Amino acid sequence: QKEVEQNSGPLSVPEGAIASLNCTYSDRGSQSFFWYRQYSGKSPELIMFIYSNGDKEDGRFTAQLNKASQYVSLLIRDSQPSDSATYLCAVNKGYGQNFVFGPGTRLSVLP
Amino acid sequence: GAGVSQSPSNKVTEKGKDVELRCDPISGHTALYWYRQSLGQGLEFLIYFQGNSAPDKSGLPSDRFSAERTGGSVSTLTIQRTQQEDSAVYLCASSPLSGSEAFFGQGTRLTVV
Repeated sequence: QKEVEQNSGPLSVPEGAIASLNCTYSDRGSQSFFWYRQYSGKSPELIMFIYSNGDKEDGRFTAQLNKASQYVSLLIRDSQPSDSATYLCAVNKGYGQNFVFGPGTRLSVLP
Repeated sequence: GAGVSQSPSNKVTEKGKDVELRCDPISGHTALYWYRQSLGQGLEFLIYFQGNSAPDKSGLPSDRFSAERTGGSVSTLTIQRTQQEDSAVYLCASSPLSGSEAFFGQGTRLTVV
């Protein structure tokens, strides 16, 4: 079982719709969770991080964490074509640990 | 600088040559990470530095790879006797504290011919 799993996609949504990106992780000791966006040919860009169970909202983005289910998600409201990118889920087990990245989900927002 | 800076942006080298890749983290960030990303693939962890602690080298793929971080700031990743399979984008990231959010540099695209 991979440490961090994501559907590779592509996930296609129409412009203006809600895009839902999902991530599961295997280590129950994981403490911090991150979503990165990566445009083709560019480096990953941090979108959000979440440490506690529940929802965290920032503009059009909402991160959701459920530690009991070992599940973290990212919702993008009012999706725009400029949101088309690969979204990487990353997990960190805490101090002194590195980040483990999922393979990424490719999102395509259709005008 | 404002962000993580990596140099060079692009490097083309002949098979068998040594290369050095540089990373300048965000000022004050104590944690520094190196990853590599092959074309169309995910991020592969290489090495992690946290303050003055011994680095976590568990991701280095072979003994041809080494890295150092001088003065808790700039880091250099060295690849000796480069092979074609070393061709990838090498990404450096730093974070203010271990386990907190990490910010990536623009990467170094290494091509071994």
